[in-house]
Amino acid sequence: DAKTTQPNSMESNEEEPVHLPCNHSTISGTDYIHWYRQLPSQGPEYVIHGLTSNVNNRMASLAIAEDRKSSTLILHRATLRDAAVYYCILRGSNYKLTFGKGTLLTVNP
Amino acid sequence: DTAVSQTPKYLVTQMGNDKSIKCEQNLGHDTMYWYKQDSKKFLKIMFSYNNKELIINETVPNRFSPKSPDKAHLNLHINSLELGDSAVYFCASSHTPLASGGRMFRETQYFGPGTRLLVL
Repeated sequence: DAKTTQPNSMESNEEEPVHLPCNHSTISGTDYIHWYRQLPSQGPEYVIHGLTSNVNNRMASLAIAEDRKSSTLILHRATLRDAAVYYCILRGSNYKLTFGKGTLLTVNP
Repeated sequence: DTAVSQTPKYLVTQMGNDKSIKCEQNLGHDTMYWYKQDSKKFLKIMFSYNNKELIINETVPNRFSPKSPDKAHLNLHINSLELGDSAVYFCASSHTPLASGGRMFRETQYFGPGTRLLVL
């Protein structure tokens, strides 16, 4: 499975945008970029995914670099409820999600 | 309404015992998964079933035996529990991923709340 690299932790203030980076320089042409998050004491939760084009949904936006070797998850206005570990995952044409260490996001009031 | 549920939520047991964790989903999915999250918070897939057939079996000791009586249930039985089995076990489910026209559909995985297993 192709590997992703994320910062161990990031900090943000409430109501401000947050940009969570992910590097995936060994991504293959068929790998989808997925983001999940895990709130404290809960199971992971799907956030967003994309292949080549930028994607928006009600939770976040995903900006994908033109060479696809990196991507950024954007939370437009962070809330306290967004404090979680965010996982960037590359998923090929199989059923597996391979989780890395993720980024622990702290949101300050 | 709970989408993916697991029982029990907490499980404390002695080494050498046999225990089961149950998982049920009411989302109409045909693929279910078991993940293990260890004390360092690494989350790793263990098994996956699609339409009651085993499709992913990672390097897991054969003391762990998943059983899928129907598409809505995937149970995990663990024999001869060891200290290293202590972890949080998550069940998940999804539709069978479909690839069409360069896009992947229906692949989002929905996770249960986890079962916290402590082996003493």
